[in-house]
Amino acid sequence: AQSVTQLGSHVSVSEGALVLLRCNYSSSVPPYLFWYVQYPNQGLQLLLKYTTGATLVKGINGFEAEFKKSETSFHLTKPSAHMSDAAEYFCAVSNTNAGKSTFGDGTTLTVKP
Amino acid sequence: GAGVSQSPSNKVTEKGKDVELRCDPISGHTALYWYRQRLGQGLEFLIYFQGNSAPDKSGLPSDRFSAERTGESVSTLTIQRTQQEDSAVYLCASSLVGVGLFSYEQYFGPGTRLTVT
Repeated sequence: AQSVTQLGSHVSVSEGALVLLRCNYSSSVPPYLFWYVQYPNQGLQLLLKYTTGATLVKGINGFEAEFKKSETSFHLTKPSAHMSDAAEYFCAVSNTNAGKSTFGDGTTLTVKP
Repeated sequence: GAGVSQSPSNKVTEKGKDVELRCDPISGHTALYWYRQRLGQGLEFLIYFQGNSAPDKSGLPSDRFSAERTGESVSTLTIQRTQQEDSAVYLCASSLVGVGLFSYEQYFGPGTRLTVT
């Protein structure tokens, strides 16, 4: 079984501030982890993913995430928020046994001018 | 190449009517998913197809919901006797699946917005 918990359904930051969106997962086998973004009135698109290898992964638009096995976490960060980062962000996990991904409930990011 | 396409983009139907939603996955993607996204909420998993394996129907909310997939191609999601609570955006996604059946990232279609009046 696998599950994803995103802490904080809404996060608000000021433009230029650090963005931190939290994701914790549970998985009975080594996971594959993903962050997806959904901009207003648009479809979901992949932001970044971790499968194997380097635990710090970089994605589009300056976002990155670090896989921490000991903490079962895959938090998403960006050093400096832009107004265009306002969107909903979903964390997801899949593994070799399940064959399908499980999504978190999503975090809505608001960026204040 | 072409992405995941869904039709119709919008559907308004009367309560009690049946509706059929269509998804065309990316060519070569053996895995296909259906999700429901109610207004302001997250993704609700409905059903998962992978190749010739039996589909994972664990997310279907009631027996009014069913889905089929033709080989590794088109999928249709059917909702019978629609209710107002079925109003939502229905998203389809497809992905590659490798040896050991682990899934790569999902590619999402634009969704079908269903409104039941």
